[in-house]
Amino acid sequence: EAGVTQSPTHLIKTRGQQATLRCSPISGHTSVYWYQQALGLGLQFLLWYDEGEERNRGNFPPRFSGRQFPNYSSELNVNALELEDSALYLCASSLGLAVNYNEQFFGPGTRLTVL
Amino acid sequence: AQKVTQAQTEISVVEKEDVTLDCVYETRDTTYYLFWYKQPPSGELVFLIRRNSFDEQNEISGRYSWNFQKSTSSFNFTITASQVVDSAVYFCALANYGGSQGNLIFGKGTKLSVKP
Repeated sequence: EAGVTQSPTHLIKTRGQQATLRCSPISGHTSVYWYQQALGLGLQFLLWYDEGEERNRGNFPPRFSGRQFPNYSSELNVNALELEDSALYLCASSLGLAVNYNEQFFGPGTRLTVL
Repeated sequence: AQKVTQAQTEISVVEKEDVTLDCVYETRDTTYYLFWYKQPPSGELVFLIRRNSFDEQNEISGRYSWNFQKSTSSFNFTITASQVVDSAVYFCALANYGGSQGNLIFGKGTKLSVKP
């Protein structure tokens, strides 16, 4: 069974540009999560989508946005890039909303570098 | 507020040594989940274990074992007879019961280096 996939692997942008990162969840998973792993800041939660809707959002400015498509894949968009947006962006997927928490399975990440 | 603290930033051991990675958490919830993930140099987080707050039984999986103690809000991870392939960054994480918020709250991670 295929795991979570992310594209591209690496992305280089300049300050002020926009970046689009993509994620395909494990088959059967309806929830997708985005995390930012910046140097020295650890893993920070960005966004959670389930069944096409944004369910929760971390403490990030509005220029971080995303969406989930009908096939449950997801895009993360970062507008007006700043140098500090340089990080590894990890996507995770899980079974959808349920009474019990479902563990999240992570993709390999997209390394975004802002010059 | 919810918080996970991994006080050990880096640990270096020689192969075959036992090593314990510490994790202390804070939460006001009475029910919650705790996790350990491994991040090898490739970057992908690998799920190791999930524990719910009402099950304090310790768990062993091969060379890995976990000690959950609610009284001290700790969820420590021990690797027995460490191997070079265990070298990675290990993250402890917390989630609220029911997953209504969805996200995992991660500690800063402990980088483990196992030398031959």
